[in-house]
Amino acid sequence: GAGVSQSPSNKVTEKGKDVELRCDPISGHTALYWYRQSLGQGLEFLIYFQGNSAPDKSGLPSDRFSAERTGGSVSTLTIQRTQQEDSAVYLCASSSTGKSPLHFGNGTRLTVT
Amino acid sequence: RKEVEQDPGPFNVPEGATVAFNCTYSNSASQSFFWYRQDCRKEPKLLMSVYSSGNEDGRFTAQLNRASQYISLLIRDSKLSDSATYLCVGMDSSYKLIFGSGTRLLVRP
Repeated sequence: GAGVSQSPSNKVTEKGKDVELRCDPISGHTALYWYRQSLGQGLEFLIYFQGNSAPDKSGLPSDRFSAERTGGSVSTLTIQRTQQEDSAVYLCASSSTGKSPLHFGNGTRLTVT
Repeated sequence: RKEVEQDPGPFNVPEGATVAFNCTYSNSASQSFFWYRQDCRKEPKLLMSVYSSGNEDGRFTAQLNRASQYISLLIRDSKLSDSATYLCVGMDSSYKLIFGSGTRLLVRP
């Protein structure tokens, strides 16, 4: 079956522009995570969706970052007024429950010029 | 203190060596633990889940020590292809999955 799909795979944008990153989780997976990974660094938690519960937004670095998950499936991460420090790989992962192993997408490599 | 902590390494070992990584966690009620492997510029991939009784998959053995709140990964007979970053995963105080910062392993010929 299909794995986690992320798009675009690469995005180059100018400082100050808004970007939207998309994640299509594995069908039926109730849990969805967004992480950010800068070059040579670990995974930084951003946001967690679990079923119909309110998302855990505790990892979002600023109010320029927001995410939603429509119909319990597809998720979009939006970064407004991008800054150069937003440049990183944004990884989405889903799991069948909140306690099961995570399956990752290939990530979106964001470069802010 | 980070909720999941690992020694960043790097661990530099010869082929055929046995190497072990530990990872400490702070949420004593954490119910899920995993080890992931991440190759350079790739997404993390699940290596193995960690069960209370310990589990083995070929050359890899994972253990959970609840009393001391750590998990471990043992790699026997290291191969060049084992060179990667190994990430441990546990649950934080709000029971979401969080990653350690990773331990880098270099296996040399």
